[in-house]
Amino acid sequence: VHLVESGGGWIQSGGSLRLSCAASGFSVSNHYMGWVRLVPGKGLEWVSDIHADNSTYYAHSVKGRLTISRDSSTNTLSLQMNSLRPEDTAVYFCARGLGTFWTGYYFDDWGQGTLVTVSS
Amino acid sequence: SYELTQPPSVSVSPGQTAKITCSGDALPKKYAYWYQQKSGQAPVLVIYEDTKRPSGIPERFSGSSSGTMATLTLSGAQVEDEADYYCYSSDSSGNHRVFGGGTKLAVL
Repeated sequence: VHLVESGGGWIQSGGSLRLSCAASGFSVSNHYMGWVRLVPGKGLEWVSDIHADNSTYYAHSVKGRLTISRDSSTNTLSLQMNSLRPEDTAVYFCARGLGTFWTGYYFDDWGQGTLVTVSS
Repeated sequence: SYELTQPPSVSVSPGQTAKITCSGDALPKKYAYWYQQKSGQAPVLVIYEDTKRPSGIPERFSGSSSGTMATLTLSGAQVEDEADYYCYSSDSSGNHRVFGGGTKLAVL
């Protein structure tokens, strides 16, 4: 299993970025996947995930601005980020996980992360 | 929104036992997971489903849960265990995941 994020960078407040996560060793379409960010000075924050049935969930702080998706043809997970704010500044990690509704979902394979800096 | 509460820091001497707690209202119904993170590296899962240890994680790492509190225990902490530790779980609806605020473990 190998996950490689790309697409991070510097952007002004209100702008958009699209993060990509190239996967190898498995199919993104068949697995629970998600994004987690490390906010400087604050810690880890769950951002969004997509389940095997394609249902998607978002943290309240990003709902309506960020959209998670996956492409089976390129075996890639994506995060479209619109209306970016300075508080979205973070290292964004792509991750693969396991779980069920009853046990809860968690991530056990991670990429190395990509830095997003939103300037005011 | 749902929150998991951890102490900001824990400090122990090498060889001592470190305990990191995590409290949340939904923990009686939802499993807790624990991640170790060092210096901006990708997080590493050290405990899943309250008490289980992934392959490759040293036996000194253990987890427990009772009521609204989950606990990560390092029995015989080593200098290389210095890191930030985060608990992780779901809210009662099961639709949102959340991390605790993180605990910085110092072994010195």
